[in-house]
Amino acid sequence: GNSVTQMEGPVTLSEEAFLTINCTYTATGYPSLFWYVQYPGEGLQLLLKATKADDKGSNKGFEATYRKETTSFHLEKGSVQVSDSAVYFCALSDRTNAGKSTFGDGTTLTVKP
Amino acid sequence: NAGVTQTPKFQVLKTGQSMTLQCAQDMNHNSMYWYRQDPGMGLRLIYYSASEGTTDKGEVPNGYNVSRLNKREFSLRLESAAPSQTSVYFCASSDSPVAKNIQYFGAGTRLSVL
Repeated sequence: GNSVTQMEGPVTLSEEAFLTINCTYTATGYPSLFWYVQYPGEGLQLLLKATKADDKGSNKGFEATYRKETTSFHLEKGSVQVSDSAVYFCALSDRTNAGKSTFGDGTTLTVKP
Repeated sequence: NAGVTQTPKFQVLKTGQSMTLQCAQDMNHNSMYWYRQDPGMGLRLIYYSASEGTTDKGEVPNGYNVSRLNKREFSLRLESAAPSQTSVYFCASSDSPVAKNIQYFGAGTRLSVL
């Protein structure tokens, strides 16, 4: 079956540091890949997505590239802010099966001033 | 723009009590989902509904039932609550499976079973 493995947390960075959160996946076929973000007390919301190999998703300074050869979708940001503190989830979606998604366990990011 | 609305936001139950978690979406989405979120375990799918009138089991369906009342509403019922069902429950919806499969989440229901 499908699976997503995320870098374990928690991750603590100083403001303006570079962020990488690793994500690798196992899936049959050609899934869509996503990063979701969850702020305290809220539900998940889409951060960015990529639907085919070599696509780069980007939003709010975050980027991730769909790498089929390494089955990876690592999240990066060049300069994090305190407001980026949240839990980040990598996910994949099986397009053929009711749009069900498989989520990683989440990585908690804390950014200190 | 309401999106996905869940009620209640918080609930405390005693072991053996029953309750229904409500979920409604106003985005005309076909598919709806119920997840539970436990520390260190990410999101686990309980049940989903690919379209109005259909429901299917997810990864952890035991102890739960669902009803897709209409296209907007998808409820989750705990018939006899157990402490192991203490969790945060999220409802989500998505547009057609042939689209980008982006899921839209409600704010969650925080349930404690004593």
